[in-house]
Amino acid sequence: NAGVTQTPKFRVLKTGQSMTLLCAQDMNHEYMYWYRQDPGMGLRLIHYSVGEGTTAKGEVPDGYNVSRLKKQNFLLGLESAAPSQTSVYFCASSFSLGTGEFDTQYFGPGTRLTVL
Amino acid sequence: AQRVTQPEKLLSVFKGAPVELKCNYSYSGSPELFWYVQYSRQRLQLLLRHISRESIKGFTADLNKGETSFHLKKPFAQEEDSAMYYCALRPGGGADGLTFGKGTHLIIQP
Repeated sequence: NAGVTQTPKFRVLKTGQSMTLLCAQDMNHEYMYWYRQDPGMGLRLIHYSVGEGTTAKGEVPDGYNVSRLKKQNFLLGLESAAPSQTSVYFCASSFSLGTGEFDTQYFGPGTRLTVL
Repeated sequence: AQRVTQPEKLLSVFKGAPVELKCNYSYSGSPELFWYVQYSRQRLQLLLRHISRESIKGFTADLNKGETSFHLKKPFAQEEDSAMYYCALRPGGGADGLTFGKGTHLIIQP
């Protein structure tokens, strides 16, 4: 199993450009998450999904859109990139243990995005 | 809204010394607490969760609901423990995302 993978690993954008970050997991997890990590800030939740075709806003959703058309993929889009979106983006996935409890989140390796 | 506070940005101890990384939280309900670790050039990985009450790599953490704390402890630090440590909270054990502290950079000196 590859676990959680993210594409691309690095990217440099100019202000106003758009791009899509891809997160893929091969563990058949229902739940997927996008976080951003900024120096001195820890990780902050951008959006998440509790199943195929569903998404929800997290703590810092502005400037981002997401889609979950397939269970194994969770896409994060930036329509018009801004320097404030320079960050490291982490994807994570999780699943229900079926007893009202949830497993921990499994993280991808991260995507380092720089917006000039 | 919930909050996780890790008061130390950087903690430096000598090999063999005890380690305690502090974590305090604020949440009105019954949260689930985690410690994640990120070694250099590696992805974030789970170290501990409070409901399992396990000891991983010699680390333990006890949830103190009275003091709203979940401090991470190890009696004898090893050089390979050097890493970033993040305390995280999940409200009510559901599918919601995690709320992270800002992290503590632990450096173990030889």
